[in-house]
Formats: sequence, structure tokens, C-alpha cells
Amino acid sequence: QLQLQESGPGLVKPSETLSLTCTVSGGSISSSSYYWGWIRQPPGKGLEWIGSIYYSGSTYYNPSLKSRVTISVDTSKNQFSLKLSSVTAADTAVYYCARLVFVVVVAATPYYFDYWGQGTLVTVSS
Amino acid sequence: QPVLTQPPSSSASPGESARLTCTLPSDINVGSYNIYWYQQKPGSPPRYLLYYYSDSDKGQGSGVPSRFSGSKDASANTGILLISGLQSEDEADYYCMIWPSNASGVFGGGTKLTVL
Repeated sequence: QLQLQESGPGLVKPSETLSLTCTVSGGSISSSSYYWGWIRQPPGKGLEWIGSIYYSGSTYYNPSLKSRVTISVDTSKNQFSLKLSSVTAADTAVYYCARLVFVVVVAATPYYFDYWGQGTLVTVSS
Repeated sequence: QPVLTQPPSSSASPGESARLTCTLPSDINVGSYNIYWYQQKPGSPPRYLLYYYSDSDKGQGSGVPSRFSGSKDASANTGILLISGLQSEDEADYYCMIWPSNASGVFGGGTKLTVL
């Protein structure tokens, strides 16, 4: 059974960089059939897609966050990571990692997130 | 990023049907997109339910009961999640999602479904 687990600091100071890692177990992050993604959810609010990465390192980012986001992959550790710079209180949220199913039509077409981590709350506060 | 509009709340009684909507902005044609639906219960990550493009192109998530189904109302530019035979366990938040491009995804604001 595939499992994803987020890890990283639960408290980050304003203007600093939020760093999280997602460890994948029960399957290979190098599978050619999936992307991997980050999604966040501020307390009491809705979901926001942050970005996605393929095992080759190809990335897609939410345009509203693109200038501050970096997603990377470490296939040797079966992990992928999120960095979000210059954080403010508005970045306080539960951060989820998830596996993204895609289908190759003309190009790789993203479909749905089928496996999710339990999420980790990151609070931005001094 | 387009804004997908979902009513903040909806309610129905056990055994009835719930119709949850996801309205796309007027510059995006619902007919051109897969609409994805997720269910989230308190303290848990979202769960993928299904996607709907057309009656001949749709998919159900693993283990998702057939009483969850999708459709579209082209005249309202809206994606629809229909839950028939409501059960108390269906009480949850429901989110729609689309991929406006292969490189960018957006969720709706979510609907809190109460089973009376």
C-alpha cells in the first residue's frame, strides 16, 4: 500500500523559507506513470494546488506562488520536497503531499490525486 | 487562475439526493474540461471520488460507491456531483477541481454538506 508522509518544521518565522519533505513508501517515486504534488489548506479554508513534479525533475507551479516556490525530487531517497520563500502569516496552512495520476494524450495530462499524506500544519509566526 | 464557485453549504436528509455544483467562469467552457471531485472529512486528507467529462468519459475512484456520480449542466457552465441515497457518513466537505492547462490546477472553494 502506497504511503506518503510529510515532514518538516511546524513553525516558521515570517520572511523565512518553509521547507517540507514528502517520503514515499510502498512504491517508487520513479514510476513513469505519476507526478507528485503539494497542496495546502489554510485553517478552516479550502484547498490550493501548489505545484507538481515528475521524477525527472520536470515541475509545474501555481502561477500565484511561482515566484516563491521550488519543488525538487530525490529519487535515491524516494522523496520530494517543497520550499516556499518569504513566508507570511497567509502561508499558515496544512500542507499535503500527494500522488498525481496523469494520462498521456497528446501531452501528459494531469488527472487526479489518488494517494495523500496525512498533512502537516505549518504555522508562520514570530 | 480561474475561480471555481461552489456554494458554501448544502443540506439534505438521509436517503435523499444531494446535488452539489461547481460553476466555472464564463470564459471557460465546462464542456472542455474534466471535473474532478474530492471529499474531505474533518481531520483527514481529501479523498478522490470521481471525474466527469461526458457520459462516455468518466471515472470512479477506487472503492467509491456508485451512488456518487458526476454530470454537467452546459447551460449553467457547471459541473455537478450527485450523491444519491444519502447516508450520515456522506457528511463532509466536497471540492471540485479542474486543470485549466496541463501545467496548472485549481480547486473550488468547497461545499460543506450536512446530512440532516
